Amino acid sequence: DTGVSQDPRHKITKRGQNVTFRCDPISEHNRLYWYRQTLGQGPEFLTYFQNEAQLEKSRLLSDRFSAERPKGSFSTLEIQRTEQGDSAMYLCASSLEQGQQYFGPGTRLTVT
Amino acid sequence: SQQGEEDPQALSIQEGENATMNCSYKTSINNLQWYRQNSGRGLVHLILIRSNEREKHSGRLRVTLDTSKKSSSLLITASRAADTASYFCATVGNTGNQFYFGTGTSLTVIP
Repeated sequence: DTGVSQDPRHKITKRGQNVTFRCDPISEHNRLYWYRQTLGQGPEFLTYFQNEAQLEKSRLLSDRFSAERPKGSFSTLEIQRTEQGDSAMYLCASSLEQGQQYFGPGTRLTVT
Repeated sequence: SQQGEEDPQALSIQEGENATMNCSYKTSINNLQWYRQNSGRGLVHLILIRSNEREKHSGRLRVTLDTSKKSSSLLITASRAADTASYFCATVGNTGNQFYFGTGTSLTVIP
């Protein structure tokens, strides 16, 4: 247990539905990251926050994806109008500045 | 596309042998990190090496960094069956805003 938690751990949804994931980072960490990982691949960076500010977004993050980190604490990642290609493991990590990232267990999304 | 590329993609060794995996990247970095992932689990940080460092050790792990060749290697000495996992390198860009993971090396240590 790294101290980073994610909820839910598994989500099955029908194509076209909206889903929201939550990440609770280690409390003193100012940086929070979202990644997506598909089978046999490394994590792909989606976005990151420094405190409550979203400082970087990958081109992978289409306009159907939105992330928030109100008050610089927990974060949510919402996917609207899900597509089958969104099926993946969504990983959250936190860190102090550019140092070691602590990863949560991930949320596995299956879009049917 | 992802920044890092690991080599080999898969490695199978006997317990007690050393395992070496390599990572190449494309742009300037602030630091490079190695992570381990057991099947179906989250990633665990192993070691971080900064761009001005050339070698770092942690227990049975040894990491080297050659910024002129844009490459890094991870050596695991005296491997154990419990080392079986996927290993990823991750680069942090100079501005601190780019984070890229490689495609990973799948290591199998046979008891």
